[in-house]
Amino acid sequence: EVQLLESGGGLVQPGGSLRLSCAASGFNFRAYGMSWVRQGPGKGLEWVSGLDGSGSSTYYVDSVKGRFTISRDNSKNMVFLQMNSLREEDTAVYYCAKRASTAAFDYWGQGTLVTVSS
Amino acid sequence: EIVLTQSPGTLSLSPGERVTLSCRASQSISSSNLAWYQQRPGQAPRLLISAASTRATGVPDRFSGSGSGTDFALTISRLEPEDFAVYYCQRYGNSPLYTFGQGTKLEI
Repeated sequence: EVQLLESGGGLVQPGGSLRLSCAASGFNFRAYGMSWVRQGPGKGLEWVSGLDGSGSSTYYVDSVKGRFTISRDNSKNMVFLQMNSLREEDTAVYYCAKRASTAAFDYWGQGTLVTVSS
Repeated sequence: EIVLTQSPGTLSLSPGERVTLSCRASQSISSSNLAWYQQRPGQAPRLLISAASTRATGVPDRFSGSGSGTDFALTISRLEPEDFAVYYCQRYGNSPLYTFGQGTKLEI
């Protein structure tokens, strides 16, 4: 059974940093790209960042470029999102998602809440 | 940047009814790169349809996807109580890598 479990969310002041983690199990982790998708309070879904199976190719939405860094540890089946220079508009539930062979996201974690507020 | 526009924003329907949700792209996209998700309150999104018309594992056959070019649709043939949720279309491409529509809410 595929499972994705996020952790690391919390309350942080504007300008602060957080590191989100996603622990994956139940599939050949290194064979699949992974992404982070966020959802602001009462809002829709926004793709934030993704990387390929090896971690050598990374991608970001423009609003987080230069502030967020995605990475993975294939020896531990983990994906990370390092978030620096956080802004109030980064407040959201952050989901970890597995890319399917079709490029859609076939499995999602339960999400971790990040609140940026003074 | 390609924008996905979903319509309508909210639909009020009854169980047993048939419904078609629309997703329109600002430029033509490959059908291979269009997906639909369902999100129930307090839950993570769930993949329903990939490649415009392929149901994901475990998705009931009352859900079907169609379309090509700029116009795509998700049809639910007979609404069940658990189908009242928010539905999102998604495109895979470039700059950004993935784009979601703003969502359509189905309410009873």
